[in-house]
Amino acid sequence: KQEVTQIPAALSVPEGENLVLNCSFTDSAIYNLQWFRQDPGKGLTSLLLIQSSQREQTSGRLNASLDKSSGRSTLYIAASQPGDSATYLCAVRRISGGGADGLTFGKGTHLIIQP
Amino acid sequence: DVKVTQSSRYLVKRTGEKVFLECVQDMDHENMFWYRQDPGLGLRLIYFSYDVKMKEKGDIPEGYSVSREKKERFSLILESASTNQTSMYLCASSLPPNGDWFDTQYFGPGTRLTVL
Repeated sequence: KQEVTQIPAALSVPEGENLVLNCSFTDSAIYNLQWFRQDPGKGLTSLLLIQSSQREQTSGRLNASLDKSSGRSTLYIAASQPGDSATYLCAVRRISGGGADGLTFGKGTHLIIQP
Repeated sequence: DVKVTQSSRYLVKRTGEKVFLECVQDMDHENMFWYRQDPGLGLRLIYFSYDVKMKEKGDIPEGYSVSREKKERFSLILESASTNQTSMYLCASSLPPNGDWFDTQYFGPGTRLTVL
């Protein structure tokens, strides 16, 4: 059974710092990996999606990498801002014969950026 | 922009009631999903659907059923609500007809259900 772990569970840093969030998964047979952010009491916003054949994806100040063989992904946030404060979730989609399947989520990293 | 809407943001029901949670997406997506989110347990998949009238069990389907009569609408049904079904319920959709094989999932705002 796929398990997804995110480290650290919580992180508080001063504004302007570069930071790295970590995600690991136990089964490397994945279709893709997706990073989301969730603001308190809200739904999830997709940040980046990496296909299993890709190594990284970039969007603005965000960069996500994937090492499928070791079961790891990192989300790099450059020049952090108070508006980046949120919970960041990592999720993997397994390979399934039927084509569609849901995601297995980590429990998230709660990030606070201090002004 | 993809829009996934859920019928209620907050819902309070009594034990034993039949509860319907509705989800609608406006991007003609093939796939739709229901998750629940609980503190300490994270998000877990309840059911999903890859076509009209088709459904598949997720990781925690017990106590739930689903209905997808139209492509844009996916309903989660609690046949007899219990207190352990108090949770945040999140709907998602993916896969437009032109085949975005990245299969990005887009989420609704969530329904916080309390069962008393």
